Amino acid sequence: DQQVKQNSPSLSVQEGRISILNCDYTNSMFDYFLWYKKYPAEGPTFLISISSIKDKNEDGRFTVFLNKSAKHLSLHIVPSQPGDSAVYFCAAITSNTGKLIFGQGTTLQVKP
Amino acid sequence: EPEVTQTPSHQVTQMGQEVILHCVPISNHLYFYWYRQILGQKVEFLVSFYNNEISEKSEIFDDQFSVERPDGSNFTLKIRSTKLEDSAMYFCASRGQGLSNQPQHFGDGTRLSIL
Repeated sequence: DQQVKQNSPSLSVQEGRISILNCDYTNSMFDYFLWYKKYPAEGPTFLISISSIKDKNEDGRFTVFLNKSAKHLSLHIVPSQPGDSAVYFCAAITSNTGKLIFGQGTTLQVKP
Repeated sequence: EPEVTQTPSHQVTQMGQEVILHCVPISNHLYFYWYRQILGQKVEFLVSFYNNEISEKSEIFDDQFSVERPDGSNFTLKIRSTKLEDSAMYFCASRGQGLSNQPQHFGDGTRLSIL
């Protein structure tokens, strides 16, 4: 099932700089996209979401951008902090099912 | 902040045995889910549950699997006749009323090891 793809398994950035995590999808029926963060030995924690009718949603240091024509979304973290080091999952959902379709995850390391 | 609680954190079981994974969803949530993540692979949807019945299940969720809400607080996943390939992290999630885009809240998972 390759409906949601995160092509970068890992990303390393310096503290204070911007982190950009990318996600591509193939199913044009997805209504919402969500980003989750996961620390080792913990479950995924919801970060931010965006509706398919929007192109941007911002919450503090986190902004998600959606390019529907390219079937691409990205999560921007500014400024990055060492505590942001985790695995980030992109997920998509269609309203009629409610099940989350996850990407493979990207491991972000923020260096002090 | 309310959270989803899963027990045990690690379960080791002999192949062929039955195992029950336990979850206590957030108390006012109405929609419940099980996902699993095999080591090195994606988090995969198994089943969703609402109003005391399964609302959707994946092809993974065959007759070997069942879910139950035995009382007002617990939500269990039973795996009968376990196989080596059932070894994975199993995550329970729940969400409240409203549109399906309401975020699902996850527990910390149960690591299931089949020997």
